[in-house]
Amino acid sequence: AQRVTQPEKLLSVFKGAPVELKCNYSYSGSPELFWYVQYSRQRLQLLLRHISRESIKGFTADLNKGETSFHLKKPFAQEEDSAMYYCALTGSGYALNFGKGTSLLVTP
Amino acid sequence: DAGVIQSPRHEVTEMGQEVTLRCKPISGHNSLFWYRQTMMRGLELLIYFNNNVPIDDSGMPEDRFSAKMPNASFSTLKIQPSEPRDSAVYFCASIPDLGGFGEQYFGPGTRLTVT
Repeated sequence: AQRVTQPEKLLSVFKGAPVELKCNYSYSGSPELFWYVQYSRQRLQLLLRHISRESIKGFTADLNKGETSFHLKKPFAQEEDSAMYYCALTGSGYALNFGKGTSLLVTP
Repeated sequence: DAGVIQSPRHEVTEMGQEVTLRCKPISGHNSLFWYRQTMMRGLELLIYFNNNVPIDDSGMPEDRFSAKMPNASFSTLKIQPSEPRDSAVYFCASIPDLGGFGEQYFGPGTRLTVT
């Protein structure tokens, strides 16, 4: 069975501080993992996917198959990073299985 | 392209009434997904279609929920009769086709309140 766990419902950091949003998954095969973000009053949108190994808006995420984790990191948080972040997994390339989300609040 | 379009954006109804949510996917996208978002359960997949055919409806919570996709540019999610626990934000998303690991494009959502 597929499962995505985001242990933190709310994460509050100061501007300029490093931020790490945790994501753990369980899947028997080779999953594809994503981070989606929902800014206030905006649509849910893709932030990054592990297969691309890209950095978007300063965020990176490394797939650690040994720890079954896909944590999202940014060295210096900005106020505009405040949003709801969802980790998601797909094993078949079809539907996404989302975690329950972490609300990130960056305060000045 | 305006992206995925959903209507209405907000719906308030009384328990027992029928509710119909609508979605127009991005033109050319062959796969469509319906999700439900609640505080307790987060984002849950309800059903998805490929080429207008339902592929997996195992996430549909009860027989009160039904979804159709009569053509490539339109889908509905119907709840009959509605109950207060159905209150949630319902999202529709589309992708060009199944089989790839591409981005899903989400609509703005419909916020449903059942009193």
